[in-house]
Amino acid sequence: QSALIQPASVSGSPGQSITISCTGTSSDVGGYNFVSWYQQHPGKAPKLMIYDVSDRPSGVSNRFSGSKSGNTASLTISGLQAEDEADYFCCSYSSSSTPYVFGTGTRVSVL
Amino acid sequence: QVQLVDSGGGVVQPGRSLRLSCAASGFIFSDYSMHWVRQTPGKGVEWVAVISYDGRYKYYANSVKGRFTVSRDNSENTLYLQMDSLGADDTAMYYCARAPSSAWHNFDYWGQGTPVTVSS
Repeated sequence: QSALIQPASVSGSPGQSITISCTGTSSDVGGYNFVSWYQQHPGKAPKLMIYDVSDRPSGVSNRFSGSKSGNTASLTISGLQAEDEADYFCCSYSSSSTPYVFGTGTRVSVL
Repeated sequence: QVQLVDSGGGVVQPGRSLRLSCAASGFIFSDYSMHWVRQTPGKGVEWVAVISYDGRYKYYANSVKGRFTVSRDNSENTLYLQMDSLGADDTAMYYCARAPSSAWHNFDYWGQGTPVTVSS
């Protein structure tokens, strides 16, 4: 089972919007609306930011949004803030032998 | 508030065993399925295992199947991962994560992780 593909890094200036992609296959991202996104600051536990492609847990800023088109899911951060600087990774349910597959991870830098 | 505290990690020689624990509080533990997930700088995040809310159903990644065993004690609000025949590829930070029983694919809370190093 191959990992979902994410860009290694994305950067933006405060106030800008950035988008992180997460590319899989029809057996995972493209086949199910079970994509989630996680934020992880250095040395900290991951935090759920988006679930079921585009839903936001209570307490997560509405600056974070998710979408999907075909085999690619995306996380958009609007109004970029310094506190958004962190690692982000996606996850999808998969019909392959391993039921949950994670993305390769993206380092977001705020310039 | 929801709290998951991972423990039990350490340095272990190849071929030996280790048991990780995840102590849960702040929610009804027996209502949730629970996962183990591991992370390394090189390989990224890898799902390891899941156990249903009642312990009846367990699923494993191919890489650990037959070597790792997930279990839970709902009376003690604790999740376990028994890891046998450890190899260098098992070196990672191990996290427990909670998931609603209706949505096993959403890891809504994570522990802080416990490090496992397999080395002679």
